[in-house]
Amino acid sequence: GQQLNQSPQSMFIQEGEDVSMNCTSSSIFNTWLWYKQDPGEGPVLLIALYKAGELTSNGRLTAQFGITRKDSFLNISASIPSDVGIYFCAGLKYYKLIFGTGTLLAVQP
Amino acid sequence: DAGVIQSPRHEVTEMGQEVTLRCKPISGHDYLFWYRQTMMRGLELLIYFNNNVPIDDSGMPEDRFSAKMPNASFSTLKIQPSEPRDSAVYFCASSPGSSGHNEQFFGPGTRLTVL
Repeated sequence: GQQLNQSPQSMFIQEGEDVSMNCTSSSIFNTWLWYKQDPGEGPVLLIALYKAGELTSNGRLTAQFGITRKDSFLNISASIPSDVGIYFCAGLKYYKLIFGTGTLLAVQP
Repeated sequence: DAGVIQSPRHEVTEMGQEVTLRCKPISGHDYLFWYRQTMMRGLELLIYFNNNVPIDDSGMPEDRFSAKMPNASFSTLKIQPSEPRDSAVYFCASSPGSSGHNEQFFGPGTRLTVL
């Protein structure tokens, strides 16, 4: 199945550092979503973006919907150990979600 | 509020056996989705329903897979007969479907192992 290009594939950082990850597609999407998945659990929605150029924050998380509607990024500021997990971007088109390949984040205390 | 509920959380079965996965969507959500997650292929959409009607089943791998939604609060995904390559985590998700806000909320998943 189709997957979006997400980078980096993995990140190993120290607690307190900022994190940035992005997602690109050859297709235009109407909505971009960012999810976090913990081991043995389902993806949990972090942020939803509905308009090109939109910048949205949720606590220490900030995400932007690219102007071209083909990309999005997610920033996490001042990382903490519980930020560990896999982060997925997802583009939504006509009720169908296309997921990115995921970014594995490890945070060392 | 209760989220999406899936059962069982884990299922181990032998090749050739029938497997039934169950899902209860969030109350009031009009859309229900079944996904499969594997290391090789990531998260893939299998099928989705709108108001209990299957809309798109193009992701269903083959005829061994079938899904039903007899009412707004229950859906099943059945594999018959199961094969080892069906081993994966299966997620159910639901969405309110209101115009412009179609976020999907996922259940905890069912980890299926076919021996």
